[in-house]
Amino acid sequence: AQKVTQAQTEISVVEKEDVTLDCVYETRDTTYYLFWYKQPPSGELVFLIRRNSFDEQNEISGRYSWNFQKSTSSFNFTITASQVVDSAVYFCALSPQYGNKLVFGAGTILRVKS
Amino acid sequence: EAGVVQSPRYKIIEKKQPVAFWCNPISGHNTLYWYLQNLGQGPELLIRYENEEAVDDSQLPKDRFSAERLKGVDSTLKIQPAELGDSAVYLCASSLDLPFSGNTGELFFGEGSRLTVL
Repeated sequence: AQKVTQAQTEISVVEKEDVTLDCVYETRDTTYYLFWYKQPPSGELVFLIRRNSFDEQNEISGRYSWNFQKSTSSFNFTITASQVVDSAVYFCALSPQYGNKLVFGAGTILRVKS
Repeated sequence: EAGVVQSPRYKIIEKKQPVAFWCNPISGHNTLYWYLQNLGQGPELLIRYENEEAVDDSQLPKDRFSAERLKGVDSTLKIQPAELGDSAVYLCASSLDLPFSGNTGELFFGEGSRLTVL
């Protein structure tokens, strides 16, 4: 069975602070994919990143960075210098190699205050 | 390029009434998904289509839910009769996947259809 845990239900920060969203996953598959999605108030889930289980290299995209650690089954997401527009619900998700069946975590509500 | 389009955005019905949601995926996307999102939770897969074939409907409550994807393009999700517990957001997503390649394509989501059952 696959499972994704996002222990942080809600995080509030002040603009320009850095914030890390935690994601821990469980799977018996040796090959799998990890994702992060953003859900703004409009409701549409926006794709942020996909990571293959064989690629443990961390990734940076502008103010966003992701830390994938297979040893601890974690795929954490950091926003540097947060902005009000970053306020949203962020979901971590896991998919097996075949089947395209995303299993989502419960999400973390991020509130960035000005 | 147009994204995934869903309608209606909002629907309020009384219990035991039927309801239908429509989804138009991104042009050319062969895979279509319906997800259920309850308040404060992550989306859960209801059904996945590859072209016109439902390849994973294990989590679709078949006693009251049905879905179809005619000609492998648009899709409709129906609930009949609706129950109070069906109040949720129904999300449609699509992706372009290469079969048997192990390539999990990026899923593009629509804005969802919010159902309230009174």
